[in-house]
Amino acid sequence: EADIYQTPRYLVIGTGKKITLECSQTMGHDKMYWYQQDPGMELHLIHYSYGVNSTEKGDLSSESTVSRIRTEHFPLTLESARPSHTSQYLCASSEYRAGGPTRYEQYFGPGTRLTVT
Amino acid sequence: AQSVTQPDIHITVSEGASLELRCNYSYGATPYLFWYVQSPGQGLQLLLKYFSGDTLVQGIKGFEAEFKRSQSSFNLRKPSVHWSDAAEYFCAVAPYGGSQGNLIFGKGTKLSVKP
Repeated sequence: EADIYQTPRYLVIGTGKKITLECSQTMGHDKMYWYQQDPGMELHLIHYSYGVNSTEKGDLSSESTVSRIRTEHFPLTLESARPSHTSQYLCASSEYRAGGPTRYEQYFGPGTRLTVT
Repeated sequence: AQSVTQPDIHITVSEGASLELRCNYSYGATPYLFWYVQSPGQGLQLLLKYFSGDTLVQGIKGFEAEFKRSQSSFNLRKPSVHWSDAAEYFCAVAPYGGSQGNLIFGKGTKLSVKP
C-alpha cells in the first residue's frame, strides 16, 4: 500500500481566503504531481515536480502555485480562493529516477475536496 | 494528436456478470499502459500495468487486461463482478520517451453494479 497523505480531506472556505493543500509521501519518491478533478470527470494535471526546487506547470492552466522544499512534501497554495476553484485535488508521486517504465507508475493520495463559497 | 479513449462513459452490469471496459490509444509506438480504479471520494489505486511481454496481465481484485497491438487497445476484464467493484475506472498511457514522464489519462468509465 502506497503511503501518500493529503490534508485536509475536506475544506469549505469563503471567497478571497488563502489556502494551502498539503501532500506528503513517505516512499522517498522524487517526482510528485497535483491533479484537479471535477466530480465524475477526468483528471487534469496542474503541477508536477522532479525533485527539490523543481516545479513545472501541467496541461491545465491553474491559478494555484506549488513549492518543493523537501522531497517528501509538495504543498499547493491558492492565494485567493474563488468559487471556480471548487474541485477535488489529487496528489500523486512516482519514482522517476528509477528509469524505465517504472518511472510512470504513480501512487495517489486520497484527495482533498475543496468547496469555495 | 496523442490520445487515450474510453468509449463508455457509464456501464451498468449485474452482480456476478462479466465485465469488459474498453480503452484505446493513439500513439506511434507501443506505450506503457495502466488501469486505475477510483472509489467514490477516494484517490486512484493502480489495478494493473503492461510494460512488455505477455499481453494478458493480471491485476489486483481479480481484474485482468489484454493488450492488443493491432487494435491499439488495452481492455480491462473481470469474469464475475462484485457490488464492491462499483467505481470509476481510468485507463492511462505513458508514451514511450515522451510527455515529460507524465501519464495521459482517459476520461474514465463509471461502473454501476445492479444487485
